[in-house]
Amino acid sequence: EVVLTQSPATLSLSPGERATLSCRASQRVGRDLAWYQQKPGQAPRLLIYAASNRATGIAARFSGSGSGTDFALTISSLEPEDFALYYCQQRSTWPQLTFGGGTRVEIK
Amino acid sequence: QVQLVESGGGVVQPGRSLTLSCAASGFTFDTYAMHWVRQAPGKGLEWVAVIAKDGRDKKFADSVKGRFTISRDNSRNTLSLQMNSLTSEDTAVYYCAKDVQIGAAAYYFDYWGQGTSVTVSS
Repeated sequence: EVVLTQSPATLSLSPGERATLSCRASQRVGRDLAWYQQKPGQAPRLLIYAASNRATGIAARFSGSGSGTDFALTISSLEPEDFALYYCQQRSTWPQLTFGGGTRVEIK
Repeated sequence: QVQLVESGGGVVQPGRSLTLSCAASGFTFDTYAMHWVRQAPGKGLEWVAVIAKDGRDKKFADSVKGRFTISRDNSRNTLSLQMNSLTSEDTAVYYCAKDVQIGAAAYYFDYWGQGTSVTVSS
C-alpha cells in the first residue's frame, strides 16, 4: 500500500499569506496525485489532479507541483474561504487508492 | 448542475446488511465511472469501490472485498452500495463520487454527494 504523509498537520497563517502543503508518498507514484479541500460538514472538493491540473472552476491561486514521491499544493494568497482541511490522494496503484492524513490550514 | 444525493444510511447492528443509494443528475450518468468513498468519524478519507460506466467492471478496497457489492441502474441514474456483514469498522459517512473522466475510470473524483451516515452498533 502506498502511504501518503502530509505535512505539516496544521498550518497557521493569515489571510493574504502563501500556503505550501506537502504530500510525500512511500513509493513513486509518477504524477498520479490529486488534492482535495474539505470544510466542516461538507464533502471534499477536487482542487488539483494529475499533480498539477486545476479542476474545473478552481481559482488560479491554487497550484500543484511535484512528481515521484514529493508533491506540493500551493495557495498563493490565502482567502478567508481557504481555511479548511486538505487531503492528497494517489491513484498510481489503482484500484487500491490511498489518501493522506490531511493538513489543516487555520487562521493565525 | 451536477447533483449526487445519497440515501439509505442509518444505525445497523453488527453482522447485518444495509444498502445505500445515490441519485445522480445534471450529467450523462452512463458515460462516467462512479465511486463510493467513506470517512469514519473524525478520520480521513477511504476509497471503497468503483463501478465502470456500463456496470460490467467493479473494483473494491481490500477492507470491504467480499462483503460489499456495487451496482448501478443507468436507466434510473442511480448508484447503489450493498453492504453485508457490517462491523464497527464500517461506521462512516459514505459519499458517492463521480469520476473526473468520461469513459474509463481515472480514479479522481470531481463531484461528491453530501454523504449518508452509517453507524454499526449493537
